[in-house]
Amino acid sequence: GNSVTQMEGPVTLSEEAFLTINCTYTATGYPSLFWYVQYPGEGLQLLLKATKADDKGSNKGFEATYRKETTSFHLEKGSVQVSDSAVYFCALRGRAAGNKLTFGGGTRVLVKP
Amino acid sequence: NAGVTQTPKFQVLKTGQSMTLQCAQDMNHEYMSWYRQDPGMGLRLIHYSVGAGITDQGEVPNGYNVSRSTTEDFPLRLLSAAPSQTSVYFCASSSGYNYGYTFGSGTRLTVV
Repeated sequence: GNSVTQMEGPVTLSEEAFLTINCTYTATGYPSLFWYVQYPGEGLQLLLKATKADDKGSNKGFEATYRKETTSFHLEKGSVQVSDSAVYFCALRGRAAGNKLTFGGGTRVLVKP
Repeated sequence: NAGVTQTPKFQVLKTGQSMTLQCAQDMNHEYMSWYRQDPGMGLRLIHYSVGAGITDQGEVPNGYNVSRSTTEDFPLRLLSAAPSQTSVYFCASSSGYNYGYTFGSGTRLTVV
């Protein structure tokens, strides 16, 4: 079945540091890939997506590239702010079995001033 | 647009009680899902629906029922609440395969 593996946190950074969160997946066929963000006490918000190989999703300074050859979708941001402190979830949506969304375990990021 | 609306936001139940968590979306999305989020365990799929009248089980369906009589509504029923069902529950909806799911703000349920 489909699965998503992402690096465990917490990840603690200083403001303006570079952020990378690794995400790899296992899926049949060609899934769509997503990054969601969850701020404290809130629901999940879609951060960015990519729907085919070599697509780059970007939003709010975050980027991720769909790498079919390495089955990866790593999230990056060049200069983080305190307001980026949140939990980040990588997810995939397969074409089969109801187009369900499968999540990774989440990575907590804490940015210190 | 209201998006995905979940009610109630908070609920405390006694063991053995039943209740329904409500979920409604106004985006005419075909796909709807229920997840639970427990500390350190990410999100786990309880039930999902690919359209009105069609539902199926996810990863952790035991103790929960769903129905989808309209496109807009997807209620989750707890049949006989247990402390293990203490969690935060999220409802989500989506259109096609290339689109992400839109999530509600969640229901925090405590079973004592």
